[in-house]
Amino acid sequence: DAGVIQSPRHEVTEMGQEVTLRCKPISGHDYLFWYRQTMMRGLELLIYFNNNVPIDDSGMPEDRFSAKMPNASFSTLKIQPSEPRDSAVYFCASRAGTSDHEQFFGPGTRLTVL
Amino acid sequence: QKEVEQDPGPLSVPEGAIVSLNCTYSNSAFQYFMWYRQYSRKGPELLMYTYSSGNKEDGRFTAQVDKSSKYISLFIRDSQPSDSATYLCAMIKTSYDKVIFGPGTSLSVIP
Repeated sequence: DAGVIQSPRHEVTEMGQEVTLRCKPISGHDYLFWYRQTMMRGLELLIYFNNNVPIDDSGMPEDRFSAKMPNASFSTLKIQPSEPRDSAVYFCASRAGTSDHEQFFGPGTRLTVL
Repeated sequence: QKEVEQDPGPLSVPEGAIVSLNCTYSNSAFQYFMWYRQYSRKGPELLMYTYSSGNKEDGRFTAQVDKSSKYISLFIRDSQPSDSATYLCAMIKTSYDKVIFGPGTSLSVIP
């Protein structure tokens, strides 16, 4: 398996623009997680899905952030409009199920909002 | 007070040294404890996983959990330059809960 795939790897955009980050989890994994990592705040969980259903979105900073998982092999995280404080590395991770706690992380998307 | 605290470092040690990385936590409901390793510009990867109190050894790595003190440790013996990375502790209350990560400790092992 190729592991968790994220695209793009780098994104530079201007304030006010819409940003869409994409994730393909490992095949067969039931859980998908979106994290944001910054030096100041560390690794923060934004939202996670179980069987394509959002379970906990309490970490989503505000209404400018939205996430979808239309099927078991694809998820998006959208920021509209983007702001400079959204600059961070965004990770997607997937997990096989409740009996296995290991999360497999993707390589991340480094987002810079100018 | 944050749920999980970890000294951010950076920690710099000579090759061959024994490294001790630590985390404290505030919620006694945590039952599963993990250490993730994150190389620069990569995603974290699971290094060790333990349940409840006690020690677990895997090669040069030993994970230790003391639930009475709400304290977990990761020991690295005979440290190598390839161990240079950020180490994040992580913990979870039940299988259905989200994982809480510590802020990470940056480690450099100097040849």
